[in-house]
Amino acid sequence: DTGVSQDPRHKITKRGQNVTFRCDPISEHNRLYWYRQTLGQGPEFLTYFQNEAQLEKSRLLSDRFSAERPKGSFSTLEIQRTEQGDSAMYLCASSFQSGSPLHFGNGTRLTVT
Amino acid sequence: AQTVTQSQPEMSVQEAETVTLSCTYDTSESDYYLFWYKQPPSRQMILVIRQEAYKQQNATENRFSVNFQKAAKSFSLKISDSQLGDAAMYFCAYRSLEEETSGSRLTFGEGTQLTVNP
Repeated sequence: DTGVSQDPRHKITKRGQNVTFRCDPISEHNRLYWYRQTLGQGPEFLTYFQNEAQLEKSRLLSDRFSAERPKGSFSTLEIQRTEQGDSAMYLCASSFQSGSPLHFGNGTRLTVT
Repeated sequence: AQTVTQSQPEMSVQEAETVTLSCTYDTSESDYYLFWYKQPPSRQMILVIRQEAYKQQNATENRFSVNFQKAAKSFSLKISDSQLGDAAMYFCAYRSLEEETSGSRLTFGEGTQLTVNP
């Protein structure tokens, strides 16, 4: 097991384009989280899945953002009509159960030009 | 809502010396978890140490230990015998035990950039 995997590591896109990121959690982990981190700040919670169910969404997650975890394994985060303010590091994390620590991936750095 | 504050944007320490990173938090809950995560330039967030609020004993992990002051809502990290590999951004984080409302998500502080000088 190689831990939480995120793809791509970097994405540069033009404003107005759609982007999609993928996260593969640790295989036995049923909980999956997306966070956003801007330069010099701590990560901010975006959304959380338990298996395939999306149980919580932050107010930070505007209508342009959508996340899925269709089979309770990998997850995708899509941003439609990207804006410059979307430029950030998008981190994925997973955990096994309540009380377990979160394991983070390397993140996807998005730059919107 | 819970908040986490790290008042030291940057800290530096000489190799082999000891450094303490500060963290305070605000919550109305009585039971919760506190964490310190490390984020090196390679950027993967790595768990350093974890403290359960109901435990009075301070957590330790090798050269890393915490000073947990529940009444003061303070949770500092002490790194002993600092090594060059300790250089990273350190984040303090809070997690509620209220699963129904928080889903185990973490609330992070702003981070402290630690430099280790040879």
